[in-house]
Amino acid sequence: QQQVKQSPQSLIVQKGGISIINCAYENTAFDYFPWYQQFPGKGPALLIAIRPDVSEKKEGRFTISFNKSAKQFSLHIMDSQPGDSATYFCAANRNSNSGYALNFGKGTSLLVTP
Amino acid sequence: KAGVTQTPRYLIKTRGQQVTLSCSPISGHRSVSWYQQTPGQGLQFLFEYFSETQRNKGNFPGRFSGRQFSNSRSEMNVSTLELGDSALYLCASRGVGGTETQYFGPGTRLLVL
Repeated sequence: QQQVKQSPQSLIVQKGGISIINCAYENTAFDYFPWYQQFPGKGPALLIAIRPDVSEKKEGRFTISFNKSAKQFSLHIMDSQPGDSATYFCAANRNSNSGYALNFGKGTSLLVTP
Repeated sequence: KAGVTQTPRYLIKTRGQQVTLSCSPISGHRSVSWYQQTPGQGLQFLFEYFSETQRNKGNFPGRFSGRQFSNSRSEMNVSTLELGDSALYLCASRGVGGTETQYFGPGTRLLVL
């Protein structure tokens, strides 16, 4: 049972455009929501993360928007670049004080065209 | 600081065999987690170890097991391999004391024939 649902499965954006990836969850015990970026042949790398007491977090061109009541969160990549072409995963963890067991979305393959 | 290292990087086994994968976390990290990545199921949590104790376990059969040593290095073992165990196995380590970031290794690609 997929606890975190991610969409779209794939996304094509022109250089300079905004890439938007959405995730939804059901378990209200989740208290930590990271986004990971993965290039072929590499392990995932943390991009940005948010906790549910904050509605938005921005780091450079990457922004997470978090809607606690709707149980949704999204990643916005501003001024998308060809180097951003990768697979992006949202994830959620519950009760982070007692350990980590990240529940991942199925991933979004992003292609940024020149 | 060196990143998370995993050995071997690639492995080919046949059904019914067993396999052991190794992970060395970032120096000073005491939490090590394992994930399985497949095209169909995506990234799925296997287990987490902290100070040699399994702290969390995912929904995988008992054929999947792991352990952690006193130097925080970890191994995972899969017995009686099945074709469906073909996957990328990722190890991730995390610091403690409020540090939440999990750092992933490059993974071990396992092919079961």
